[in-house]
Amino acid sequence: DQQVKQNSPSLSVQEGRISILNCDYTNSMFDYFLWYKKYPAEGPTFLISISSIKDKNEDGRFTVFLNKSAKHLSLHIVPSQPGDSAVYFCAASARGAGNMLTFGGGTRLMVKP
Amino acid sequence: NAGVTQTPKFQVLKTGQSMTLQCAQDMNHNSMYWYRQDPGMGLRLIYYSASEGTTDKGEVPNGYNVSRLNKREFSLRLESAAPSQTSVYFCAGTPGGTNYGYTFGSGTRLTVV
Repeated sequence: DQQVKQNSPSLSVQEGRISILNCDYTNSMFDYFLWYKKYPAEGPTFLISISSIKDKNEDGRFTVFLNKSAKHLSLHIVPSQPGDSAVYFCAASARGAGNMLTFGGGTRLMVKP
Repeated sequence: NAGVTQTPKFQVLKTGQSMTLQCAQDMNHNSMYWYRQDPGMGLRLIYYSASEGTTDKGEVPNGYNVSRLNKREFSLRLESAAPSQTSVYFCAGTPGGTNYGYTFGSGTRLTVV
């Protein structure tokens, strides 16, 4: 059973608009959450993270929101750019699990010019 | 800086053949990981090495073995390849401790026929 789920396999957004990527988790021990971005034929690259003691973290056009009670996090990209077209993975780490990350299935974002 | 280097980039194996996927990092990372990526499944941890000289099983270790040859190198071996091992394999490294900033290699696309 997947502990981290990204229920939308794909998302299409117009350039300049907001992209919202969602992620749900089931493990209450998760205390750190990350988003990775992956282009074709490349490895994933770290994008942004959030600790469970926060509910929001912002980095330029990227903001991650965490709702612990709902076990839900989301990544907002504003404004979306064609270069943001990629697969986005949500990941989580549990207390006591060292640096091991559990990844979601990914969401393919397409930003149309 | 090369970062994390994986070889080969592509490989086709026949069922029952063996092979070793190589991974080397020049970032002085203590911890290294092997993940496989399958459609809709995200990245699943096969094996990891928290530090030089140690290795542990991840979520999907069956059919694989690993060797942490030294701090730089972490190899993944398939002793008798099966079609279910057709996947894209990613090696990653991180400094360790509470740093979750994985650096991924560019991947090895393996097809078992």
